[in-house]
Amino acid sequence: RKEVEQDPGPFNVPEGATVAFNCTYSNSASQSFFWYRQDCRKEPKLLMSVYSSGNEDGRFTAQLNRASQYISLLIRDSKLSDSATYLCVVKVVHPSGTYKYIFGTGTRLKVLA
Amino acid sequence: EAQVTQNPRYLITVTGKKLTVTCSQNMNHEYMSWYRQDPGLGLRQIYYSMNVEVTDKGDVPEGYKVSRKEKRNFPLILESPSPNQTSLYFCASSLAGGGYTFGSGTRLTVV
Repeated sequence: RKEVEQDPGPFNVPEGATVAFNCTYSNSASQSFFWYRQDCRKEPKLLMSVYSSGNEDGRFTAQLNRASQYISLLIRDSKLSDSATYLCVVKVVHPSGTYKYIFGTGTRLKVLA
Repeated sequence: EAQVTQNPRYLITVTGKKLTVTCSQNMNHEYMSWYRQDPGLGLRQIYYSMNVEVTDKGDVPEGYKVSRKEKRNFPLILESPSPNQTSLYFCASSLAGGGYTFGSGTRLTVV
């Protein structure tokens, strides 16, 4: 089982739609959570961190459920420019103090005119 | 401008010819890492470094070496590249606890 799992999609949605992605993680030592956006053949870019209380940035809302070990990303009023792959990232801290970031394989979103 | 700079952006090389991909960041980040990205497999960590002279293996370290002699630089070395190392490579850096800033990527083809 992968440490971070995402539905690969693609999610094809019309402009203006609301779309939600989920991501599950298996390591209980996961401490920090992020959503990244990656356009084709480009580098991933940080979209938002995910906080325990949930957080919003414009049309984007991120939620964390530690009990069920999943995080979600909600995009409201989708724009054509939102078409991209969305990567879920989890930071796992080891007892030694070292840490690593683990990426999901991404969910592809295509917003249609 | 705060950034991670990778070079080269594109590289075609032959099997067995040693190569180095450079990575430099200007944000004074402690943590740096190398990833490779392959279709269907996502981003897989090759090596990471928590600070100067501290490096550790990621999930797919075989065939790669790294060094961290200065905080800003974290080169990736392929001593004897093979075709299965053809991939898109990303360098990234972060402050402890923060998210990553990625370089623009290096597309490597080994023939």
